[in-house]
Amino acid sequence: GQSLEQPSEVTAVEGAIVQINCTYQTSGFYGLSWYQQHDGGAPTFLSYNALDGLEETGRFSSFLSRSDSYGYLLLQELQMKDSASYFCAVGYNTDKLIFGTGTRLQVFP
Amino acid sequence: EAGVVQSPRYKIIEKKQPVAFWCNPISGHNTLYWYRQNLGQGPELLIRYENEEAVDDSQLPKDRFSAERLKGVDSTLKIQPAELGDSAVYLCASSSSGSFNEQFFGPGTRLTVL
Repeated sequence: GQSLEQPSEVTAVEGAIVQINCTYQTSGFYGLSWYQQHDGGAPTFLSYNALDGLEETGRFSSFLSRSDSYGYLLLQELQMKDSASYFCAVGYNTDKLIFGTGTRLQVFP
Repeated sequence: EAGVVQSPRYKIIEKKQPVAFWCNPISGHNTLYWYRQNLGQGPELLIRYENEEAVDDSQLPKDRFSAERLKGVDSTLKIQPAELGDSAVYLCASSSSGSFNEQFFGPGTRLTVL
């Protein structure tokens, strides 16, 4: 079966850098995605890694190591609006996606 | 471009009653998903459609849940009869064919079963 692990909660202060890790076990691995969800809101796609390495999109970056079954989301120059839940999601068997349980990020002033 | 539209946003029903959720995906998105999200958890797939065909309904509790996507556009998810454990947020998402990793979610329907 498929499984993902990510921390349940992370806290940081405005302007800081935070890293949210995700480890996974899956057969037929295809890629790793990250989604952001504010309380009461819809999950919003942030990034996708199919190959090893770092993908940068503005203040957010995502990293994947297929050999280690590990990835992370890096958030820089944290802002209060970044307070949300962040989900890693593993794509497998070419067309399936399974979500982790989410990491709740709280940013303090 | 309009996003994924869902209605209603909130629904409160008593157990054993039926309930239905409606979803209109992003125009041109052939793939439509229904997810259930419990508090503090990630979305869990219930069913996935490619156009009007249900291609993955392995996680759909078929004794009480049903779904349809007539004409390959709008979709309806129904629960009959509802149970207390069905209280959750029901999310609809859509994507372009082959872009399952990048899904666009609607705001969801928060269902409370009393």
